[in-house]
Amino acid sequence: GDSVTQMEGPVTLSEEAFLTINCTYTATGYPSLFWYVQYPGEGLQLLLKATKADDKGSNKGFEATYRKETTSFHLEKGSVQVSDSAVYFCALSDNQAGTALIFGKGTTLSVSS
Amino acid sequence: EAQVTQNPRYLITVTGKKLTVTCSQNMNHEYMSWYRQDPGLGLRQIYYSMNVEVTDKGDVPEGYKVSRKEKRNFPLILESPSPNQTSLYFCASRLAGTQQEQYFGPGTRLTVT
Repeated sequence: GDSVTQMEGPVTLSEEAFLTINCTYTATGYPSLFWYVQYPGEGLQLLLKATKADDKGSNKGFEATYRKETTSFHLEKGSVQVSDSAVYFCALSDNQAGTALIFGKGTTLSVSS
Repeated sequence: EAQVTQNPRYLITVTGKKLTVTCSQNMNHEYMSWYRQDPGLGLRQIYYSMNVEVTDKGDVPEGYKVSRKEKRNFPLILESPSPNQTSLYFCASRLAGTQQEQYFGPGTRLTVT
């Protein structure tokens, strides 16, 4: 079945450092891909999405490009802030059945000043 | 304000005592879903509903029931809770269409002793 694999955390960075969180997927069709963020004590919020190959999603300085050839959707940010400390989830939605989001296990990011 | 609400936010109960976690959305979304989040396992889908009176099992439905009598509400019922259902539960909703963003509630932390 469909699955998402993302890098294990925690990731610990200093403010203004460059961030990459790797995400790869396995899917039989052409899924839509998402990054969700979960701040402490809160529910998940959509950070960005891409619905077809070569699309780039971006929001709040974060970017991710849908790479069909490498089945990847890596999350990047050029300069992280303390306020970016959260858990980040990569997810896919099967565009045929569309009955669920399939999530990776989440990567905890901790940014210190 | 567009939102998904869940109640209660925190619940401690004993084995076997029936409970209901409510979920309501004010966005007229067709699709609603329940997930549980456990450390090291990420989010897993329990049940989902594509529209009123249409529900189906997700990946981990054992021990849970749902109903969808109205479009806005999707309660999660634990008829006889057990300690292995101790978890963080999230309700989510979206418009019809697999590329659509899912909106998540704030979560319900359930402890079964």
